[in-house]
Amino acid sequence: EPEVTQTPSHQVTQMGQEVILRCVPISNHLYFYWYRQILGQKVEFLVSFYNNEISEKSEIFDDQFSVERPDGSNFTLKIRSTKLEDSAMYFCASSASETQYFGPGTRLLVL
Amino acid sequence: GENVEQHPSTLSVQEGDSAVIKCTYSDSASNYFPWYKQELGKGPQLIIDIRSNVGEKKDQRIAVTLNKTAKHFSLHITETQPEDSAVYFCAAKGSTGTASKLTFGTGTRLQVTL
Repeated sequence: EPEVTQTPSHQVTQMGQEVILRCVPISNHLYFYWYRQILGQKVEFLVSFYNNEISEKSEIFDDQFSVERPDGSNFTLKIRSTKLEDSAMYFCASSASETQYFGPGTRLLVL
Repeated sequence: GENVEQHPSTLSVQEGDSAVIKCTYSDSASNYFPWYKQELGKGPQLIIDIRSNVGEKKDQRIAVTLNKTAKHFSLHITETQPEDSAVYFCAAKGSTGTASKLTFGTGTRLQVTL
């Protein structure tokens, strides 16, 4: 069964550094999403992406965040200058219609 | 924006008993309501979903009911098994388009004891 994959599974970085989180969505899906989950809290929407542009973004998704689909298979989330409060689990999801399928996540720790 | 409330936050049941988790939503325009199961260290896995034109949906031991008037929906798990132990999240999706975001509830930690 096709699934969303994410790399790396864990990332440790210093405050102020740039990180890129990578995702490979399910191959025939056209809609892509990033969500995050701070430890012990609910899953929060960051951004959705369709047809090579952002469809919707939350207030969390400020100028420090960007997304890109650099080729036909990858979908990336870049955090330009990480803050301590960016420490969280980041989930990529994809969908062909309204049902969203989530990847296993990248645990980001900012020190 | 949409707000989803979920109760209870923790639920402990004995193996074989039923478990019920309830959610309410605020935006009457929301039209799609999935339920996800999250095991430790993993991503949310879709277990069942319901659309606003349907009142109930069942898949083996799992069922979901939706009351649009009251703006609440519930997950029912019958004949619970230890492998049902996980955190369960409800979510609601708005009607502004296919790529509309999911707004999640705060999660219910279900513990099924032997």
